[in-house]
Amino acid sequence: QVTLQESGPALVKPTQTLTLTCTLSGLSPDVNEWRVSWLRQTPGKALEWLGRIDWDDDKFYSPSLKTRLTISKGTSKKQVVLTLTNMDPVDTATYFCVRHGVAGPIRGNWFAPWGQGILVTVSS
Amino acid sequence: DFVLVQSPDSLAVSLGERVTINCKSSQTIFNGGDNKSYLAWYQQKPGQPPQLLMYWASTRESGVPDRFSGSGSGTDFTLTISTLQAEDVAVYFCQQHFSTPYTFGQGTKLEIK
Repeated sequence: QVTLQESGPALVKPTQTLTLTCTLSGLSPDVNEWRVSWLRQTPGKALEWLGRIDWDDDKFYSPSLKTRLTISKGTSKKQVVLTLTNMDPVDTATYFCVRHGVAGPIRGNWFAPWGQGILVTVSS
Repeated sequence: DFVLVQSPDSLAVSLGERVTINCKSSQTIFNGGDNKSYLAWYQQKPGQPPQLLMYWASTRESGVPDRFSGSGSGTDFTLTISTLQAEDVAVYFCQQHFSTPYTFGQGTKLEIK
């Protein structure tokens, strides 16, 4: 059973850079192909997709965040890192990493499972 | 971007009754190549991350009770709970998985009457 866990700071100051790490556990050793996305949920509960990274290092970003967002693989094969620059109070949200679902041989773009999420507050 | 609008924003239904939640996309999310509509449904209970219920509009995720069903095609979709149980109290979201940026509906809050 695949699980994901987000880690990083709970509080960042305006203009600072946010770095979050997603650690995947339970991946079968013979699973070489995967997709992971980062999403966030505002205090008002709206869900927003931020970006995606694939096993072959293909990356896709939300146009609204493209200039500030980088998603990369971590030092471990089982880690994905989000970097969001120039943080603003409007970026206050719970950040989730998610694995994209699969249906047999098909890699989909629905999200399962989700990490528990990490609440990041942007405040001076 | 694909804009998804859910209706209603909230509803209260008696236990054992049928629940219907709608999701409308600003553009078609039907793929003629595989005859599938690329819409997913999620359930989010308080303090928990969303959990996948359905993808390709009507394919139930493993482990999801069969009282949950999805229907629709093109731009108009419905999530139905055939017989409401107490544990179904949650916020429900639709999501298009047709193309990036993947987008969500605003959510529908379901309560017990």
